[in-house]
Amino acid sequence: DAKTTQPPSMDCAEGRAANLPCNHSTISGNEYVYWYRQIHSQGPQYIIHGLKNNETNEMASLIITEDRKSSTLILPHATLRDTAVYYCIVRVNFGNEKLTFGTGTRLTIIP
Amino acid sequence: GAVVSQHPSWVICKSGTSVKIECRSLDFQATTMFWYRQFPKQSLMLMATSNEGSKATYEQGVEKDKFLINHASLTLSTLTVTSAHPEDSSFYICSARDGGAVGNTIYFGEGSWLTVV
Repeated sequence: DAKTTQPPSMDCAEGRAANLPCNHSTISGNEYVYWYRQIHSQGPQYIIHGLKNNETNEMASLIITEDRKSSTLILPHATLRDTAVYYCIVRVNFGNEKLTFGTGTRLTIIP
Repeated sequence: GAVVSQHPSWVICKSGTSVKIECRSLDFQATTMFWYRQFPKQSLMLMATSNEGSKATYEQGVEKDKFLINHASLTLSTLTVTSAHPEDSSFYICSARDGGAVGNTIYFGEGSWLTVV
């Protein structure tokens, strides 16, 4: 799996959009970008994934640059419950490919 | 999303005893499950990949005789920590691959806290 680089921590005001960047400059053509988050003392929660097109679901939006070397996860209206560690992971989406976690970004939502 | 359940959520055991953690996929069949361990303030570390009906594949440095994995059905995998010691105290998390989902997505259980005293 390609490596990803994320800022170690970020703050965001409650109600604002939280934009979490991820660099994956060595991503290969068949690797998807996955985002998970882990709230303290819980298992990781799947958020969203994409290949090259921007994606949106009820939780977030994923913006992937045209060259696919970076992406941004957007939480449109952050709440206190969004405080968590967010992990950006690249992985092929077939077979038994595992998820390899980096250190992620610790997002703190400020009241 | 799909649901993965772990049991127990937390367990305390005496040093030298064995403890079993169960991981179930509740609304999908999982031919592949993954077991992770997480120490405080650290990221998740993959321990092993469990495939239904076959032997688990362990990551380098993980003792297969100490961490026994059984994946006997498409909805259940178990991790048994044998002869547990205080250094085995950790947060153990399982995940399961939903091969039928778009994106072959992996979903995680709630985790199990193990404390060895």
